[in-house]
Amino acid sequence: KNEVEQSPQNLTAQEGEFITINCSYSVGISALHWLQQHPGGGIVSLFMLSSGKKKHGRLIATINIQEKHSSLHITASHPRDSAVYICAVYPVNDMRFGAGTRLTVKP
Amino acid sequence: KAGVTQTPRYLIKTRGQQVTLSCSPISGHRSVSWYQQTPGQGLQFLFEYFSETQRNKGNFPGRFSGRQFSNSRSEMNVSTLELGDSALYLCASSPGTGGFEKLFFGSGTQLSVL
Repeated sequence: KNEVEQSPQNLTAQEGEFITINCSYSVGISALHWLQQHPGGGIVSLFMLSSGKKKHGRLIATINIQEKHSSLHITASHPRDSAVYICAVYPVNDMRFGAGTRLTVKP
Repeated sequence: KAGVTQTPRYLIKTRGQQVTLSCSPISGHRSVSWYQQTPGQGLQFLFEYFSETQRNKGNFPGRFSGRQFSNSRSEMNVSTLELGDSALYLCASSPGTGGFEKLFFGSGTQLSVL
């Protein structure tokens, strides 16, 4: 079993829909990172979380350290949100990644 | 401010050769980390450098090594290349002021081993 599990693996939505991507992990961590990777490989750091909730524009990220779970929400989704979203966790002196969630938003 | 620059963008090598990849961080950033991305394994952490010292290391064989220079530029070296080393190699920089920080990624070097 992978230490970092993301769900769903693939997600197709219509423009305007509310989207949730989940990340569960089995190791103790100090922080968690949400990354966005567009076709062509470029990766953008969206959020870094160690507790609670963060919001940036239409994106919201939450983390529950006790339940070892984090969610990334996208409100009013747009075709430009189409990308792979990757969860990364920080155990001590290491970094582990989920396999990613491929999101396609159709106009 | 210029972003993270990785060179070369593409590289083709043959088995048994060695390769050196370069990463120039954002000006003022002191921490550089390296990652390998393959279709089968996804993203994996290689190592992180701060002030010329390796701070963290992932689970990769000793053929993978790196270093950081006094100007924070970093190089990654892979010796005795294997077919399985074909991957996108990404580096990221961060200010390195301590704690957990936002990462700024380069566009990567696509390495093909034939």
